[in-house]
Amino acid sequence: NAGVTQTPKFQVLKTGQSMTLQCAQDMNHEYMSWYRQDPGMGLRLIHYSVGAGITDQGEVPNGYNVSRSTTEDFPLRLLSAAPSQTSVYFCASSYSVSAGGPWEQFFGPGTRLTVL
Amino acid sequence: AQTVTQSQPEMSVQEAETVTLSCTYDTSESDYYLFWYKQPPSRQMILVIRQEAYKQQNATENRFSVNFQKAAKSFSLKISDSQLGDAAMYFCAYRPPSGGSQGNLIFGKGTKLSVKP
Repeated sequence: NAGVTQTPKFQVLKTGQSMTLQCAQDMNHEYMSWYRQDPGMGLRLIHYSVGAGITDQGEVPNGYNVSRSTTEDFPLRLLSAAPSQTSVYFCASSYSVSAGGPWEQFFGPGTRLTVL
Repeated sequence: AQTVTQSQPEMSVQEAETVTLSCTYDTSESDYYLFWYKQPPSRQMILVIRQEAYKQQNATENRFSVNFQKAAKSFSLKISDSQLGDAAMYFCAYRPPSGGSQGNLIFGKGTKLSVKP
C-alpha cells in the first residue's frame, strides 16, 4: 500500500492564482481530512469528509474548497491564493469514525505552499 | 470547545536519559481518545502512542509511555533511554468520541525536543 499520497510536495503561487492540492489514499478509509500547519500553531483542521459525497468545514475553512467524489481522493482547492495561505498542508485519513475506536489518522507527507 | 495545551515549546534531553513532555486538555466528554504524534525534520507525522480514556492502564510502546491522569485532564509522554532519532516536534492530540465530525483531531501547538549526544 502507498498509504496517503499528496502532490505536489512544494508549490509557489502568486497572489490571486488558484490551484488544487491532490490527496489520495489506498486503504479504503472513509474519513479524510485536510490540516494546515503554521509555525507555533500546531495543525488546524480545514475541511473533512466522512465518506464519498459528504464534506464539512473545520476550524479554518475560508479560502478553501473541497469535494469527495470517490473514497480514494480528497482534493483541496485554493480559489484565489493569498499570502496568509502560505503554510504546510497535510492530508490525513482513517477508518470510519462512526464505528468507534481509537482509529489512527494516517498522514500524507505534506505540501509546502508559498504564496507571494 | 475542546482545547489541547502543550506548555513546553522546547525541551532538551541528554542521550540515554529520560524526558517527559507535558500535555493538558479541556473537555466535558467522558469518553475520548488521546494521541502523541512525532514530526521529525522530514515533516512526516508519525503516531507514537494512543490512549483510550476509558482505559485506566497507561499505554506503553517500547521506550515511550504515557501518564494519563483523567481527573486532572493530563496526558504526558515519557521517553526513556532517549536516542538521537527522537529529536523532533511532538504533538499531543485529542479526538472526541465516535460519530461524524467527532473524528477530527485537535492538536496542541507542539514541543520541539532536542537530544544532545
